[in-house]
Amino acid sequence: KAGVTQTPRYLIKTRGQQVTLSCSPISGHRSVSWYQQTPGQGLQFLFEYFSETQRNKGNFPGRFSGRQFSNSRSEMNVSTLELGDSALYLCASSLGQMSSYEQYFGPGTRLTVT
Amino acid sequence: QKEVEQNSGPLSVPEGAIASLNCTYSDRVSQSFFWYRQYSGKSPELIMSIYSNGDKEDGRFTAQLNKASQYVSLLIRDSQPSDSATYLCAVKVLEYGNKLVFGAGTILRVKS
Repeated sequence: KAGVTQTPRYLIKTRGQQVTLSCSPISGHRSVSWYQQTPGQGLQFLFEYFSETQRNKGNFPGRFSGRQFSNSRSEMNVSTLELGDSALYLCASSLGQMSSYEQYFGPGTRLTVT
Repeated sequence: QKEVEQNSGPLSVPEGAIASLNCTYSDRVSQSFFWYRQYSGKSPELIMSIYSNGDKEDGRFTAQLNKASQYVSLLIRDSQPSDSATYLCAVKVLEYGNKLVFGAGTILRVKS
């Protein structure tokens, strides 16, 4: 079974621009969560989508948004990029929302904002 | 107080020894506990999950959970140089769905 895929793998943007990242979950998985990883803050939860609805949201500004499509694929958008948005953005998929369901991470998108 | 705490390390052990990684959490309603391994430049890889008190073994890995003490640990037996990585403890709270709260990670170095 194919794992979680994320595109693009690397991205360089300029301050003020916007960016869209894509995530395809493991086949059959319906929940997609997004995380930001930086050396200073570690892994932080951005939001979770299940059945095309945002179910949970972390403490990030409204510039960070996402959506999920009917095939469970998800996109994350960051508008008005800031230097501090440079990070590894990770997508994780899960069968559903039960607490016992495990999450599997994709390879990540490395975003650099200059 | 951080929700999930880990000693940042590095924890250095000789090849063949047992590596013991520890994690404490603050939320008493935490439901599920996970250990991820992350190699430098790679994404986290799930290695163990544990949901009830006691031990859970999988190959060279043993996860231990003590909810009363709010403590979860990971033991790696017969440590190999390939085990050198950052180990992340993650906790899931039922009311927050699939939100995982991660510790900062412990760097493990296995010396051959």
